[in-house]
Amino acid sequence: GAVVSQHPSRVICKSGTSVKIECRSLDFQATTMFWYRQFPKQSLMLMATSNEGSKATYEQGVEKDKFLINHASLTLSTLTVTSAHPEDSSFYICSAEAPPDTGELFFGEGSRLTVL
Amino acid sequence: GEDVEQSLFLSVREGDSSVINCTYTDSSSTYLYWYKQEPGAGLQLLTYIFSNMDMKQDQRLTVLLNKKDKHLSLRIADTQTGDSAIYFCAEGQGNTPLVFGKGTRLSVIA
Repeated sequence: GAVVSQHPSRVICKSGTSVKIECRSLDFQATTMFWYRQFPKQSLMLMATSNEGSKATYEQGVEKDKFLINHASLTLSTLTVTSAHPEDSSFYICSAEAPPDTGELFFGEGSRLTVL
Repeated sequence: GEDVEQSLFLSVREGDSSVINCTYTDSSSTYLYWYKQEPGAGLQLLTYIFSNMDMKQDQRLTVLLNKKDKHLSLRIADTQTGDSAIYFCAEGQGNTPLVFGKGTRLSVIA
């Protein structure tokens, strides 16, 4: 099946620094990717919809200046957590639809961010 | 807004069948999904069903959909210890983001 890859899988950073997480569709083109966040023992919460070549659409309550999303190509979307704080520590997962309009979403492996 | 509910825990003996239930509220859902999440890992798509189907079977997995009651279930036959994981039910309309339940933690007792 289609593969979505995230990098890094784990990252530890100091408070105040910025962290970039990459989401790549390895064998298909994705005009739309979704970024989710998962808190411990909770479900996935949609953060934003990443659209290739245009601005991301953020869910209510998600700070767009805090979580910068760039979807510069059909195979890559990046999420940058700016000026990270301990409360940003979480599991971030991206997904993309493949093939388009099938409803079949594939997820990356997830990236666990720990902010000290 | 849309909501997806599922029980949080299920414990079964190895070799028995597991049934994980899910209810959803959005009557316009087109696709209903089951994802598996093993500890420390991302989500793995197990199976999904179109809303115009009642049942889908894939090896040990059987998905039943009662659209009238907005009830979805996942049955795992001959449950193995490797099936221990969190199972998420989700609903969507195709090219839209999914709404997830909180996940059911399945524990398989040897």
